[in-house]
Parts: sequence; structure tokens; C-alpha cells
Amino acid sequence: ETGVTQSPTHLIKTRGQQVTLRCSSQSGHNTVSWYQQALGQGPQFIFQYYREEENGRGNFPPRFSGLQFPNYSSELNVNALELDDSALYLCASSFRSSGNTIYFGEGSWLTVV
Amino acid sequence: SQKIEQNSEALNIQEGKTATLTCNYTNYSPAYLQWYRQDPGRGPVFLLLIRENEKEKRKERLKVTFDTTLKQSLFHITASQPADSATYLCALESDSWGKLQFGAGTQVVVTP
Repeated sequence: ETGVTQSPTHLIKTRGQQVTLRCSSQSGHNTVSWYQQALGQGPQFIFQYYREEENGRGNFPPRFSGLQFPNYSSELNVNALELDDSALYLCASSFRSSGNTIYFGEGSWLTVV
Repeated sequence: SQKIEQNSEALNIQEGKTATLTCNYTNYSPAYLQWYRQDPGRGPVFLLLIRENEKEKRKERLKVTFDTTLKQSLFHITASQPADSATYLCALESDSWGKLQFGAGTQVVVTP
């Protein structure tokens, strides 16, 4: 158990729709990152939030956006869904300090049809 | 561009033997390197972190080496067990703190 919980665990959306994925960080962690993992690939960094501000972004278009709340929980929003957005979306939480362990949730499986 | 490469073929190994996985990287100067385990349909689980000034790190049956000259890390599972069957991911911090870049992972299958 990592203490990082994500919801929903599975969902199916239609191309063009919007989706919101949620993450509850481990207690005491002030940094949350989101990753996309396609089948057979390693996780790809989407963005990171630290103290409610975006703090680094990977190579993802603006239709991927996020929020971090004062209690350090977080949301990932994806607009105008495309078929290629089908993947496992992972939330990772940590306390911001070099070399600290990063804890992943179990992920949200998104299928876009 | 930055790149991380892991053995793409699955590693099939007999119970009790040592599994050795390779992680090679280019265009990085990492302060540390991490290894994760991922079971099918689940999130990665942190296993070990090794810093640039450490040559070797151990945790129970796991051993990691880090050669910054060769730009390579080796991950060993000694006395392997069927429960060790999983995909193992290597990760490096990219251009800012906590932004990890992962290799594609190597699947390990341990047979009794």
C-alpha cells in the first residue's frame, strides 16, 4: 500500500469527450506528478504540481491540464479525447526533496472509443 | 535527446538463479537512478535508488550497480523466486526535480 489512491479505476469515454481523473496523495506529500503509460511502454511524464502550482511539464498538449488542491489532492483533466489517449494514467506523490521516494497509485485505465 | 534503454526481450529464468537486467542511458548526467517493479495492471512500486557517488546498493535479494562512466546500471535479483515475476523499470530524473523518465521496462519470468 502506497497511500496514493486514484479514481476511477477504469473508464470508457468517446472520442471528443472530456475526462477528469482524481488522485489523493499520501499524507504529508506536497508534490504530485501525473504519468501516462501506454501498453508495453514505460510511464511518460505529463506534469507535476508543487504547492498548487504547475512545476514542470512533459511533451503533452494543452488539452492535458491539472489542478492541485490545498490538501494536496490532484486532478488530471483531458479535453477533446483522442483514441491515442487510451492508456493507464498514474499519479505519483512525494515530499519535495532530492532523492526522496516517489509513491505511485494503482492508476486509472482510460479507454477512448 | 535523452534516452533510456532496457532489454526489450523478456528474461526467462529458473527459480534460484540470478536475474540480471540492464539499463543504459544517453544524454543524462543523473544525480541518481531508480528501479521500480510493476505487476500487470498495477502502478510501479519503488525498489531501490542509487546515487551517482554510490557504486553498488543492496536490499535483501536485490542489488543495483551504477556506472556513470559507462552510463549503465545493472539490476540483479539473486535466488530468484516465481513471485519475482514482473516488469522492472529503470528511471532517471530529467531536467527538473521529480520529473522521471522511464525505460520501457524488462519483463522477468521466473519458472519453478
